[in-house]
Amino acid sequence: QVQLVESGGGVVQPGRSLRLSCEASGFTFRNYGMHWVRQAPAKGLEWLAVIWNDGNNKYYADSVKGRLTISRDNARNTLYLEMNSLRAEDTAVYYCARDIRDSGLDGIFDFWGQGALVTVSS
Amino acid sequence: EIVLTQSPATLSLSPGERATLSCRASQSVSSYLAWYQQKPGQAPRLLIYDASNRATGIPARFSGSGSGTDFTLTISSLEPEDLAVYYCQQRGNWPPTFGQGTKVEIK
Repeated sequence: QVQLVESGGGVVQPGRSLRLSCEASGFTFRNYGMHWVRQAPAKGLEWLAVIWNDGNNKYYADSVKGRLTISRDNARNTLYLEMNSLRAEDTAVYYCARDIRDSGLDGIFDFWGQGALVTVSS
Repeated sequence: EIVLTQSPATLSLSPGERATLSCRASQSVSSYLAWYQQKPGQAPRLLIYDASNRATGIPARFSGSGSGTDFTLTISSLEPEDLAVYYCQQRGNWPPTFGQGTKVEIK
């Protein structure tokens, strides 16, 4: 069965960096585009970034462009999110999610990880 | 960026009743609208995509309709386990955006 497991969350000081990982199993990872979505405490969902299945194309939400970098290692079945210059408003649960489309990109999120909590605080 | 507005904010119904949730887009998204269910303490789960297609394993009591700017998620007969927040999401225009959610409470 499809599984996505995030790791790397924690408490980080403002201005510092953090890298989240999302390990995938149960499907052919290299065939699917992958997304990051976050949810601030008691708030709604915010799409952050997408990376194509081959890693050659990436897109970001304007709100995080320049501070977040999405990447993947298809040999390790792992998705990453590098976050720099973190701010208090980046405090959220960060989810990785699979795009529904095999060998393409539809912008529909059919499987989600359990989430990684990032708290930005001094 | 397309703004999705969901109504009502909260819906309180008894088991067996019909729930109707609305999502309105600030401009047309064609049929490129999905619905997700998020139970307390859990990740979101895809229910409906492209306005009316049920995702794999989703019970038939969940159905979606609409096109353009107005969409509806219907739960035909509420079960206690349907307690959750429901989000709509559009992919008709980049970037993907979500509505603010409708909380369904079970009386």
